[in-house]
Amino acid sequence: AQKVTQAQTEISVVEKEDVTLDCVYETRDTTYYLFWYKQPPSGELVFLIRRNSFDEQNEISGRYSWNFQKSTSSFNFTITASQVVDSAVYFCALSNDYKLSFGAGTTVTVRA
Amino acid sequence: NAGVTQTPKFQVLKTGQSMTLQCAQDMNHNSMYWYRQDPGMGLRLIYYSASEGTTDKGEVPNGYNVSRLNKREFSLRLESAAPSQTSVYFCASSETNSPINYGYTFGSGTRLTVV
Repeated sequence: AQKVTQAQTEISVVEKEDVTLDCVYETRDTTYYLFWYKQPPSGELVFLIRRNSFDEQNEISGRYSWNFQKSTSSFNFTITASQVVDSAVYFCALSNDYKLSFGAGTTVTVRA
Repeated sequence: NAGVTQTPKFQVLKTGQSMTLQCAQDMNHNSMYWYRQDPGMGLRLIYYSASEGTTDKGEVPNGYNVSRLNKREFSLRLESAAPSQTSVYFCASSETNSPINYGYTFGSGTRLTVV
């Protein structure tokens, strides 16, 4: 069985603050993939990143960065210098075969 | 535009009515999925089809049936809708050549209300 836990239900920050979203996963498999998706108020799911279990390098894409630590089964996501447009629900997800298992999501509200 | 197309986008049903949600992808992906999204619960897998001709239950299959009509199309049927099936439904597809997972493409969702 696989499980993804996003302990933070809601986070509220003021614009330009940094925000870190936690993601902890459980799986018995050695080969798996981790994902982050953004769901803005419009409702669609926007793909942010895919990372396989053999690649523990941290990644930075603009204001977004991800920290993958297999030792703690975590794949955390940081938004630097947040903007109002970052307000959304963010989902962490895990796949070890065909199926993708999602965490419950973290709602991020960025106030101007 | 290439991607996953879901129809309809919105639907209101009365308890006991039936309906089919349609999903089609034009990326030649092997695998297709149906998820439902409820507040505070993320997305939960209803059914999936790893390849044409196969379907399997996911986490919450009760009350639903699926058909993988061909490689492009994967439909979800509610035979007798219940208020508990009020949700947003997402279809997705993927090209997975185990152990490599190339990622998932999601449709824009169907908002279903059962009254």
